[in-house]
Amino acid sequence: AQSVTQLDSQVPVFEEAPVELRCNYSSSVSVYLFWYVQYPNQGLQLLLKYLSGSTLVKGINGFEAEFNKSQTSFHLRKPSVHISDTAEYFCAVRPSSGNTPLVFGKGTRLSVIA
Amino acid sequence: GAVVSQHPSWVICKSGTSVKIECRSLDFQATTMFWYRQFPKQSLMLMATSNEGSKATYEQGVEKDKFLINHASLTLSTLTVTSAHPEDSSFYICSARVLVNTEAFFGQGTRLTVV
Repeated sequence: AQSVTQLDSQVPVFEEAPVELRCNYSSSVSVYLFWYVQYPNQGLQLLLKYLSGSTLVKGINGFEAEFNKSQTSFHLRKPSVHISDTAEYFCAVRPSSGNTPLVFGKGTRLSVIA
Repeated sequence: GAVVSQHPSWVICKSGTSVKIECRSLDFQATTMFWYRQFPKQSLMLMATSNEGSKATYEQGVEKDKFLINHASLTLSTLTVTSAHPEDSSFYICSARVLVNTEAFFGQGTRLTVV
């Protein structure tokens, strides 16, 4: 079975500052990794995903994440945040084979302060 | 990109009544759909997995007779909350997947309030 740990439940950051949202996972098999963003009362929007290949993945809205297999991490970063980035961010994982659902972390609330 | 439409966006119903939530893949055929439940300020909890034409596979602790899932076509899955009670109030989200090795696309969610 897989599990995801998002180490920070809340991250406040000033506008235009950099941010890193941490995600660690546990799995005995190879996995695909995802980051999703959720705005209030809305579904989830995919920010980026790691399936294979380059460990540095670039996504939408200026976000990027780096897959580190040895540390079983997939931290999300943005060099300069905007007020509009205020939202809930979820890290998710699933095995790279088989038709299995995503397993989500508990989420990190990013609050961007003007 | 792939679009998943969920309807209604919000619904209020009386205790004891049933509510149906629809999840449609608008521009692709979804072989698999997932239903999640999300409590305030919490993560998504998988309720069930449904494959077109098959019975849904429910997660442990989810009542099959209470949360009826139908996936009759490759573009539509429905979740019916039967005999709803206030404790069923929650945010329900569906997601749909085309092939085994792609990400799932999410609907916008349904806020259910049972009074």
